[in-house]
Amino acid sequence: AQSVTQPDIHITVSEGASLELRCNYSYGATPYLFWYVQSPGQGLQLLLKYFSGDTLVQGIKGFEAEFKRSQSSFNLRKPSVHWSDAAEYFCAVEKSKGGGADGLTFGKGTHLIIQP
Amino acid sequence: GAVVSQHPSRVICKSGTSVKIECRSLDFQATTMFWYRQFPKQSLMLMATSNEGSKATYEQGVEKDKFLINHASLTLSTLTVTSAHPEDSSFYICSAPRLGSAGEQYFGPGTRLTVT
Repeated sequence: AQSVTQPDIHITVSEGASLELRCNYSYGATPYLFWYVQSPGQGLQLLLKYFSGDTLVQGIKGFEAEFKRSQSSFNLRKPSVHWSDAAEYFCAVEKSKGGGADGLTFGKGTHLIIQP
Repeated sequence: GAVVSQHPSRVICKSGTSVKIECRSLDFQATTMFWYRQFPKQSLMLMATSNEGSKATYEQGVEKDKFLINHASLTLSTLTVTSAHPEDSSFYICSAPRLGSAGEQYFGPGTRLTVT
């Protein structure tokens, strides 16, 4: 079965500093990978996704992530964080890679705190 | 853009009663919807896949007789927590796949269930 590991439960970053959130996955083939952000009172919002092709993917709000097959990783990065980036971030993999839609397996999440 | 709504956003019920949570796709049809459960400060766990016109598919360990799912139409799925107990208190989130974008899903804002 697939699994997703986010090793950092909390990360504190100063506003304007760079950010990297780690994600490792376990899956038998090339997975569909996602990063979602969850803010209080709001639904999960998709930041970016990787299916195939270019291993560096660009997302919304200035985020990017790099798929590294050799390391089974899909780390999320942002060059300069803003106070509004404070939220919970989830890495996810599609449950099974079939022809139709399937549920997602989520990591435990990383809580991002922005220091002024 | 496409939106998934949930109703109610919060519900408090007494132990032993049943509670129904609705998930609606507002401007698109969803033959499949997913139900997740999120414990405080923890990850989302897929509970079941709701299929329009057929029975729901439950994940291992999820009691199908306790968490009844009905996909009544192409825009509505309901989750009924039967004979609720305090341990059922949680945040329940639904999602629906985005058509034409494999693996990508729209998430509802969630329903906070508290069983007293």
